Amino acid sequence: DTAVSQTPKYLVTQMGNDKSIKCEQNLGHDTMYWYKQDSKKFLKIMFSYNNKELIINETVPNRFSPKSPDKAHLNLHINSLELGDSAVYFCASSQDTPNTEAFFGQGTRLTVV
Amino acid sequence: SQKIEQNSEALNIQEGKTATLTCNYTNYSPAYLQWYRQDPGRGPVFLLLIRENEKEKRKERLKVTFDTTLKQSLFHITASQPADSATYLCALRGSSNTGKLIFGQGTTLQVKP
Repeated sequence: DTAVSQTPKYLVTQMGNDKSIKCEQNLGHDTMYWYKQDSKKFLKIMFSYNNKELIINETVPNRFSPKSPDKAHLNLHINSLELGDSAVYFCASSQDTPNTEAFFGQGTRLTVV
Repeated sequence: SQKIEQNSEALNIQEGKTATLTCNYTNYSPAYLQWYRQDPGRGPVFLLLIRENEKEKRKERLKVTFDTTLKQSLFHITASQPADSATYLCALRGSSNTGKLIFGQGTTLQVKP
């Protein structure tokens, strides 16, 4: 069983569209994250949720709206997509203690044309 | 602001040699430092965690050192194999339970047979 799964793996869409990426973890973790990896491979945190509550919002444009229906799911909705949104988006989860590792999904490669 | 720097250029070594990757950070006092491996098209996978009061940690052929005075971590892979070829990411975290993992940009290692 995949620990952290996100769908879709690839997403190609036109500018101005709205799209969603889904993430689910079956590890029983309380904390989930969204990271963005740009073309230079730099992995930057976007959001963190703990028990469905937003903990970290790293100055991400309002067009990005995470939603956590329960602690096993953290979805990312993006409105009015722009060319600069093209990147690989990773979902991750961890226990809510600092001395533990994060588990990542396989990533969603978003291409905005 | 917090900054993490890893060897920006790819590291090429011969099979059997020891690979040494560097992670330097500024404007931060992490409680924990982690190393991840990322293969093309995949999410990062956790390798090792070291605490601020630990100097060295080992796991099989991997060794991590953590020097909080120099603000540096070294990651060693001994008896390297072509299968070790990947991008290696350094990540820092504070002591808060809901803290975030801050990643470096990664170093790509290529082990040649």
